Amino acid sequence: ETGVTQTPRHLVMGMTNKKSLKCEQHLGHNAMYWYKQSAKKPLELMFVYNFKEQTENNSVPSRFSPECPNSSHLFLHLHTLQPEDSALYLCASSQERDIPRPLHFGNGTRLTVT
Amino acid sequence: GNSVTQMEGPVTLSEEAFLTINCTYTATGYPSLFWYVQYPGEGLQLLLKATKADDKGSNKGFEATYRKETTSFHLEKGSVQVSDSAVYFCALSDPSGSARQLTFGSGTQLTVLP
Repeated sequence: ETGVTQTPRHLVMGMTNKKSLKCEQHLGHNAMYWYKQSAKKPLELMFVYNFKEQTENNSVPSRFSPECPNSSHLFLHLHTLQPEDSALYLCASSQERDIPRPLHFGNGTRLTVT
Repeated sequence: GNSVTQMEGPVTLSEEAFLTINCTYTATGYPSLFWYVQYPGEGLQLLLKATKADDKGSNKGFEATYRKETTSFHLEKGSVQVSDSAVYFCALSDPSGSARQLTFGSGTQLTVLP
């Protein structure tokens, strides 16, 4: 039990589909993150939410749309994706009052775009 | 900007062998340094951390020392086990400790053979 739960674990979607990834954290943290992990590349930070407010958007294409309805839940809405978007998408959370602020990761959603 | 360079893998060792995974960094000021581990099918977990020069982080038999003079944070373990097979990521955060400023290396795959 990692404290950060992601669903689904695996997702296969066509380029015209619309799907959503879900993340829920049970740690009482106030910051949540989406990362993209592709083979042989460093983790890419996509979005950061702090107290439900988006504080970071690292030039992510608009076909990825995050939503954070409260401090415990984070979604990533996907539409008209490209095959190169296939990757492991990791959600993480942290407590922004801790110094330093280690991240707690979920197990990820393995996304395949066909 | 900040950057982290890890030794390229994959690394394959026999059980009970000595492990070193090199990590060097470039950063302004005094970053905090981390090692994260990713077991197969899981997200990343914090393995150990160090927040100032000469600090030694340790956990589960792994150690790393924050060396400011050589800008390094090499991961070591005296006797690896099959269960240590995973991908290891070196990371740094800027002096504020904000997780959104966390920079990851590209990861080193470790396989331990019985």
